[in-house]
Amino acid sequence: GAGVSQSPRYKVAKRGQDVALRCDPISGHVSLFWYQQALGQGPEFLTYFQNEAQLDKSGLPSDRFFAERPEGSVSTLKIQRTQQEDSAVYLCASSLGNTIYFGEGSWLTVV
Amino acid sequence: DQQVKQNSPSLSVQEGRISILNCDYTNSMFDYFLWYKKYPAEGPTFLISISSIKDKNEDGRFTVFLNKSAKHLSLHIVPSQPGDSAVYFCAASDPGGTSYGKLTFGQGTILTVHP
Repeated sequence: GAGVSQSPRYKVAKRGQDVALRCDPISGHVSLFWYQQALGQGPEFLTYFQNEAQLDKSGLPSDRFFAERPEGSVSTLKIQRTQQEDSAVYLCASSLGNTIYFGEGSWLTVV
Repeated sequence: DQQVKQNSPSLSVQEGRISILNCDYTNSMFDYFLWYKKYPAEGPTFLISISSIKDKNEDGRFTVFLNKSAKHLSLHIVPSQPGDSAVYFCAASDPGGTSYGKLTFGQGTILTVHP
């Protein structure tokens, strides 16, 4: 597709449930990023992939968060045993050079 | 510790006038700065960027100014249009061996342009 595609757009999860969020980057983009945006805040960096290699996961808030990009294209962010503080928009972005293009985000609400 | 700050949560401007959005940063290692615009229920859209070796970059109605000594940047929109109404995020990059895409964002400024 023309842009970064994310699914699902909206997810309501019960506390303790596992969720998986998918990102389809722009074709040919080597770099892929995940960000978390809480209500009223700016996005915060979670993790970065270059092709299939996860080069930086310093922003992942806990070991309940796990991301993968096994074939260097589509990426999945998995959150295990979700908690209410995980409620946020999860943004995926991709880039080839210096400009980073964001998807529309996956809105996660944990109830 | 907020390394990138946008101290004005909101700004209201008349159509046709100039909009000036401000951003301050604390980390002197930041060397690349970007502005993003965000509409409700959409992802941030890239607007304009500036490298730390420059002090100004212009693209149509949008100009970004960088004052490294003051660790301050600003986005000027002139003339402002109602379609510019959105949340504007300032972001800074410190590659640090990873990537330009590891961005630190400000909290955002809601711009409203009145007809």
